[in-house]
Amino acid sequence: DTAVSQTPKYLVTQMGNDKSIKCEQNLGHDTMYWYKQDSKKFLKIMFSYNNKELIINETVPNRFSPKSPDKAHLNLHINSLELGDSAVYFCASSQDPRGGPSTDTQYFGPGTRLTVL
Amino acid sequence: GQNIDQPTEMTATEGAIVQINCTYQTSGFNGLFWYQQHAGEAPTFLSYNVLDGLEEKGRFSSFLSRSKGYSYLLLKELQMKDSASYLCAVTDSNYQLIWGAGTKLIIKP
Repeated sequence: DTAVSQTPKYLVTQMGNDKSIKCEQNLGHDTMYWYKQDSKKFLKIMFSYNNKELIINETVPNRFSPKSPDKAHLNLHINSLELGDSAVYFCASSQDPRGGPSTDTQYFGPGTRLTVL
Repeated sequence: GQNIDQPTEMTATEGAIVQINCTYQTSGFNGLFWYQQHAGEAPTFLSYNVLDGLEEKGRFSSFLSRSKGYSYLLLKELQMKDSASYLCAVTDSNYQLIWGAGTKLIIKP
């Protein structure tokens, strides 16, 4: 029943490690997003994919690489983790950002709390 | 640059009414959203405005004035469960969603 799911929910790791977060949506949406929410609770867009193609790539270190094997999945791989990467990462999906209220609404996954020690 | 402003924190009393304001300056406008986020949880959709005026949904209403770059979220008959952060977000001309920092609403008995 879960519309947007993310794994893992919690991730604790050491500096310098490489980790991945997985996201899947079963809503049939065309667009998926990755957001970072830091301790100040500000929600910052990182990437957006539409039908497996990258459409938004904000100023994010190259250590972050999204991968979309199909339009229902958008995974986030992070290399050489740093202390400043500690945050909650949210995946979201929408049908079509151009389509108005019924298609523009973003549905969020439960978030992945990443702690880098 | 693009900017969304909303108060950082507000306090209100259970049973009362509270209005959370949002002003925006964006490259174009294709709609404004309000999301609710409880602590430790994901944001959830509350409302969407693209035309001027008031949209009512039960205890929650959202107002938009495009000429003033202004919106508010009105919460009536406040309940303790309404304690959460309320995020204002605007879709710009490129259909990118620009997020405000959120308003933390504290409800007191």
